[in-house]
Amino acid sequence: QVQFVESGGGVVQPGGSLRLSCAASGFTFSSYGMHWVRQAPGKGLEWVAFIGSDGSNKYYADSVKGRFTISRDNSKNTVYLQMNSLRPEDTALYYCAKDRGMATISFDYWGQGTLGTVSS
Amino acid sequence: DIQMTQSPSSLSASVGDRVTITCRASLNIARYLNWYHQKPGKAPKLLIYAASTLQSGVPSRFSGSGSGTDFTLTISSLQPEDFATYYCQQSYSALYTFGQGTKLEIK
Repeated sequence: QVQFVESGGGVVQPGGSLRLSCAASGFTFSSYGMHWVRQAPGKGLEWVAFIGSDGSNKYYADSVKGRFTISRDNSKNTVYLQMNSLRPEDTALYYCAKDRGMATISFDYWGQGTLGTVSS
Repeated sequence: DIQMTQSPSSLSASVGDRVTITCRASLNIARYLNWYHQKPGKAPKLLIYAASTLQSGVPSRFSGSGSGTDFTLTISSLQPEDFATYYCQQSYSALYTFGQGTKLEIK
């Protein structure tokens, strides 16, 4: 079955960096786009970034553009989120999610999330 | 950016009730609309994509309708496992915004 193992979360000071990883299994990883979605404590969902199946297409939310970078390594079935210049408002549970891969974008499988906390 | 507005923000209902949640987009998104629900401490789950197509494995008591700017999610007969927070999401533009959520609680 489809599974994700997310890692890399932790506590960092404002202005610091974190690198999140999401290792996937149970499907042909190189055939699907992947997303990161975050959820601040007690808040709703916020889409963060998308990367196409071969890594050529990348999109970002305005709130993270220029600070976050999404990438993938299809040989390791892993997607990454490099987060720089972190702000307290970036504190959230970060989920990786698989794109359903058909004509319309939707997220059909999700990881359990990794928590990133930005605090001095 | 496309703004997604859900109503109501919260809703109390009983097992067996028929429930409708509404989602409005700030501009025409055709049928590029998805619905998810999320239970406390769990990851979201895809229920419906492309406004009305049921995701595999989702019970048929869930249905979606609408196009353009106005969409609805209907649960025909609430079950205990349906009490959760529901989110709509647009996939028309590559900033895949979510609605603010509708918390469905037991009356």
